[in-house]
Amino acid sequence: DAGVIQSPRHEVTEMGQEVTLRCKPISGHNSLFWYRQTMMRGLELLIYFNNNVPIDDSGMPEDRFSAKMPNASFSTLKIQPSEPRDSAVYFCASRVQGWGNQPQHFGDGTRLSIL
Amino acid sequence: KQEVTQIPAALSVPEGENLVLNCSFTDSAIYNLQWFRQDPGKGLTSLLLIQSSQREQTSGRLNASLDKSSGRSTLYIAASQPGDSATYLCAARLNRDDKIIFGKGTRLHILP
Repeated sequence: DAGVIQSPRHEVTEMGQEVTLRCKPISGHNSLFWYRQTMMRGLELLIYFNNNVPIDDSGMPEDRFSAKMPNASFSTLKIQPSEPRDSAVYFCASRVQGWGNQPQHFGDGTRLSIL
Repeated sequence: KQEVTQIPAALSVPEGENLVLNCSFTDSAIYNLQWFRQDPGKGLTSLLLIQSSQREQTSGRLNASLDKSSGRSTLYIAASQPGDSATYLCAARLNRDDKIIFGKGTRLHILP
């Protein structure tokens, strides 16, 4: 059973460049979450989708960040233009949405370094 | 605004000892509370999930408790092993909301 798949695992790029992170949720899961993890701030929710629709993007730090979910099996998080302070590990997670107590399943993350 | 706090930030314990990790949250109106494990360079793995109507959950050597009135949860690890070394995070899911709020975690090191 494949888990949440994220790509790339590592990304190093120069500031000002566009960065696109990708996520494939677990088949059958209809909620998808994007998180950012840093030493200083811990794990922060950026945005989440239910049934491909963005529900809460209040965690997106700036207009430079955007996320899409064109279908149930794919989502992207884009940063344009990137800045050194965006360096972090970005996680994608998915779950079955609803009132049931279903845990979130996490991918292994994308380690992003902006030079 | 819900805040989740974990103290201590780091803990070293000799192998074989029992230990308790602590988690506190500011808003008692939570739907559930989860404990996760994170290994270096990896994502989070769900260990235990306690519903708001429950007091505790057990899985093997792990036992998690929940006291909503005091805003606390604990993760008890029995007979610790070097393989238990990891960062442990707790997360509170808010009522009527799919969001979960994470603590910053406790980095646990089991000394062989």
